[in-house]
Order: sequence, then structure tokens, then C-alpha cells
Amino acid sequence: AQSVTQLGSHVSVSEGALVLLRCNYSSSVPPYLFWYVQYPNQGLQLLLKYTTGATLVKGINGFEAEFKKSETSFHLTKPSAHMSDAAEYFCAVSDPTDGGSNYKLTFGKGTLLTVNP
Amino acid sequence: DAGVIQSPRHEVTEMGQEVTLRCKPISGHDYLFWYRQTMMRGLELLIYFNNNVPIDDSGMPEDRFSAKMPNASFSTLKIQPSEPRDSAVYFCASSSPYNEQFFGPGTRLTVL
Repeated sequence: AQSVTQLGSHVSVSEGALVLLRCNYSSSVPPYLFWYVQYPNQGLQLLLKYTTGATLVKGINGFEAEFKKSETSFHLTKPSAHMSDAAEYFCAVSDPTDGGSNYKLTFGKGTLLTVNP
Repeated sequence: DAGVIQSPRHEVTEMGQEVTLRCKPISGHDYLFWYRQTMMRGLELLIYFNNNVPIDDSGMPEDRFSAKMPNASFSTLKIQPSEPRDSAVYFCASSSPYNEQFFGPGTRLTVL
């Protein structure tokens, strides 16, 4: 079974400051990892994903994440926060060996990011 | 492309009533997923289909919940009878093989 832990249900940063959202996972096989963003009253939108290859993954809106197998982590960062980044962020994991869909996702509980002017 | 379409966007009903949520996936996507989002439990996968066939319904909470996909462009999630604890936002998502899931805007269900 897989699981995802997002440390901090709420993170608050100032505009222009570094954004760091933490995600740790548990998986018996090398996982695929994802970050999704959810703006108020909207569905989830994919920010970035890691499947294989380079462990530093760049996504949309200036976000990036690094897969660290030794730490079982996939933290999301952005060098400089913008007001428009305020949203809820979800880390997710999937088992690429799952016979059904290798994109069957298990989500973390989410981290609400607020950006202060 | 219009994206994943869900209807209704909001549903308020009384306990004991039947509720039907609808989803139109993105054309050409072979996979369709139903999720439920609550404050307590977060985002949970309820069931997913591949080529209109249910593959894994282990997340469906109980027999009151049922889902169908009669064709490649339409799916329903039905709750009968509904209970207050079913109040949540229900998301539909679709994907093509080995690609990301695209989420609809969700249906906010309130059961009084």
C-alpha cells in the first residue's frame, strides 16, 4: 500500500519569499510522484510529475520538485512566491506496476498556501 | 477542448433522496476516475474505469454508491439513499494511458 504525508496543512509566506511545501511518501516500489494545485472552487491541475530519469523536475508557474529516494521525499519549491500562487497543493503517488492504471493516484491531505503582500 | 465536464456543480438534497452526479470525460481518454473530497478524509479515489469497464471499485464506501459508464463519453455516480455524511465535493477525472489525469470542476453535494 502507498501513502503520502504532507507536513503542514497550512503554509504562509510573504510575496517574493521562497515557497517550500513538503511531501514524504511510502511505497514498496519505485513510485511515480505528482504535485497538483487546486484553486478555490476548481478542480485539480497538474503542476509537475516525476516518473523516471532526472530527479529534479520543473513544472508550470515556476515550480519545481526534487525526488530524493533516500529521504522518500518529493518537496515542492518556488524561489519567489506570487500572490497568484495562493491555493491548495496536493502531493500524490502512484504505483507504476499497478496492473490497472499506472496513474491510479493516492493523495496527501493537502497544504494550503497563503501569500501575504 | 472543453475539458472534463461535471453536472450539476452544486446539489442540495434531503436525506434519503437519490442523487445522480454526471461526468463527461475528455474525448479520447480511456480512463475515468471518480473521487470524493472531504475535510476529514481528503481526496479519495472511489472507482475508476478503463474503456467503460469498472476496474477497481474498492474505494466505494458502501452499497448505497454505484457508478456506471454506459459509453465512452458519459459516466454517472449515484447515491441511493443519500445521507448527511455523503456531503462532499465529488470530482471526475479522465486520462489517456500513461498520461496525467485531468480533473473536472467538481460537484459540491450537500445532504440535509
